[in-house]
Amino acid sequence: QQQVKQSPQSLIVQKGGISIINCAYENTAFDYFPWYQQFPGKGPALLIAIRPDVSEKKEGRFTISFNKSAKQFSLHIMDSQPGDSATYFCAASPRYGNKLVFGAGTILRVKS
Amino acid sequence: EPEVTQTPSHQVTQMGQEVILRCVPISNHLYFYWYRQILGQKVEFLVSFYNNEISEKSEIFDDQFSVERPDGSNFTLKIRSTKLEDSAMYFCASSEEGTRNTEAFFGQGTRLTVV
Repeated sequence: QQQVKQSPQSLIVQKGGISIINCAYENTAFDYFPWYQQFPGKGPALLIAIRPDVSEKKEGRFTISFNKSAKQFSLHIMDSQPGDSATYFCAASPRYGNKLVFGAGTILRVKS
Repeated sequence: EPEVTQTPSHQVTQMGQEVILRCVPISNHLYFYWYRQILGQKVEFLVSFYNNEISEKSEIFDDQFSVERPDGSNFTLKIRSTKLEDSAMYFCASSEEGTRNTEAFFGQGTRLTVV
């Protein structure tokens, strides 16, 4: 099944709080999992990515947690800032193939 | 910083007309892609292109669609006879290697409106 399910659809977080976005997949052929950030009027931009041989990857305030057995991965944004307000997409790329399969997106709003 | 550029930013066309969306990928990149995003929906893969041929395409990419790299810099998406349901934001992307190995950089998109 070439799908990635993403939740929640939208999220409101207070400044300084933690934003958590979850994704799940079924296809075990996926082996690369990036997160993209999209601001209005712009194309998606890579935020952080992980491969299934590690369970966590951290870059600054952004962390991906990966659970291979559950086929789930999540993005945590620590100390969320109003500038983080954007749409976030999880994605997956299959081992044999050359494309990204995107989740439905999460609209994040960080209130100051 | 190098970027993928797309033109036009917005195109309005009559149903049944042909449209060509243009992209200039990042110069040292070898893989090129088109994705689309219908308003309020997820980004969907259309096609990937490497070594002057299509390497993969989705079910959406039917005979109405074609891609071309007419010269060393441009990458185009042609829709032969547009339908109302082709209205979407179309994103071009490029990467040095395949998307599993290197980052895919996206352009700012072309909003296609079919009336």
